[in-house]
Amino acid sequence: EPEVTQTPSHQVTQMGQEVILRCVPISNHLYFYWYRQILGQKVEFLVSFYNNEISEKSEIFDDQFSVERPDGSNFTLKIRSTKLEDSAMYFCASPGRTSNYGYTFGSGTRLTVV
Amino acid sequence: DAKTTQPPSMDCAEGRAANLPCNHSTISGNEYVYWYRQIHSQGPQYIIHGLKNNETNEMASLIITEDRKSSTLILPHATLRDTAVYYCIVRASGTSYGKLTFGQGTILTVHP
Repeated sequence: EPEVTQTPSHQVTQMGQEVILRCVPISNHLYFYWYRQILGQKVEFLVSFYNNEISEKSEIFDDQFSVERPDGSNFTLKIRSTKLEDSAMYFCASPGRTSNYGYTFGSGTRLTVV
Repeated sequence: DAKTTQPPSMDCAEGRAANLPCNHSTISGNEYVYWYRQIHSQGPQYIIHGLKNNETNEMASLIITEDRKSSTLILPHATLRDTAVYYCIVRASGTSYGKLTFGQGTILTVHP
């Protein structure tokens, strides 16, 4: 089964620092998503990315966040100046064969802001 | 997307069937029912989806009522590894790969 790969698995950063989370989605798919989950809370949508553009974003995805596709296979989520409340699990996801099929999520990056 | 309601928690004995209910009384005709699960802090895992017919795959079965206002996910022989949070999500088809909206889900605990 195709996999979505995320790195690093755990990132510790100081408040105010920039972090970049990386993901390699299922190949040959133009859609891509980022979600986050604060400890003990539900999984929340951040942003969807299609063909090198943001197609939808949530209220959480403010100016501190950005998403890029630096090369053909990698996607990144950048947080410019981290805050304590950014501590969470961050998941990337790729859609399935068609829009009606399930999404495949990566194993996540645990971000800890101290 | 229609709202879903799930019980916050359920227990099941290992080897027995786990039946997880979901209410989606405001579901529209073009909306599918999806089930995902999340084991500990891993990424959500797709299980199964359906529109109006019952569906079965290697992981589970999905039973959707005739009026489509509720559904049940069935794990036929639950194992300890099936302990997870199970999410029922309703999403329209043809939404150009739109986002998934997760609720709180049902915490399923499978015990020996």
